Amino acid sequence: EVQLVESGGGLVQPGGSLRLSCAASGFSFSSYWMSWVRQAPGKGLEWVADINQDGSEKYYVDSVKGRFTISKDNTKNSLYLQMNSLRAEDTAVYYCTRERGIKHSGIWYPSSDIWGQGTMVTVSS
Amino acid sequence: DIQLTQSPSFLSASVGDRVTITCRASQGISNFVAWYQQKPGKAPKLLIYAASTLESGVPSRFSGSGSGTEFTLTISSLQPEDFATYYCQQFNTGPHTFGQGTKLEIK
Repeated sequence: EVQLVESGGGLVQPGGSLRLSCAASGFSFSSYWMSWVRQAPGKGLEWVADINQDGSEKYYVDSVKGRFTISKDNTKNSLYLQMNSLRAEDTAVYYCTRERGIKHSGIWYPSSDIWGQGTMVTVSS
Repeated sequence: DIQLTQSPSFLSASVGDRVTITCRASQGISNFVAWYQQKPGKAPKLLIYAASTLESGVPSRFSGSGSGTEFTLTISSLQPEDFATYYCQQFNTGPHTFGQGTKLEIK
């Protein structure tokens, strides 16, 4: 079964750090882009970051640049999000997703086809 | 960054109704759009990618269309399990922004 399982969420004080993990199973993890998407309580979805197959390309939303680092370990089938200098506005459920590309007429079309169950991060004193 | 604006933000409809949700982009994004359904307390589920291609296993009452800056998600005949929040997402340019969501409620 194709599955993503996040862990590492919790309560942290403003300015603190947290490392989220996402364990992948049931597919060839090293062949896929992966991403983190978050959802603040009662709010919509926000794309946070993604990483390519071998970890050589990483992209971030402006609000987390310089504070968050996405990484992956293909030997452990795991995705990570290191979050530093956390702020109250980072409070959210964080989802790990698989970014699958499907080729139509020579063009690759990405989408997040597999999602984890999410892990809650609360930044509060 | 590319902004996606969904309309309406809230939609009240009945079982059997045909509904359409619109997603407008602040600049052209070709057809690099995906649509998701999210139910309370659950992770989003992929419905459509490449603006109009139905994801495997998704009922055929869901359809998508559009290119450039305007996209639509249509549900041809609402079923009880379709009442949820729907989001569009663009993959044309990073960051891969989402629309603000459309909450579909039972009338």
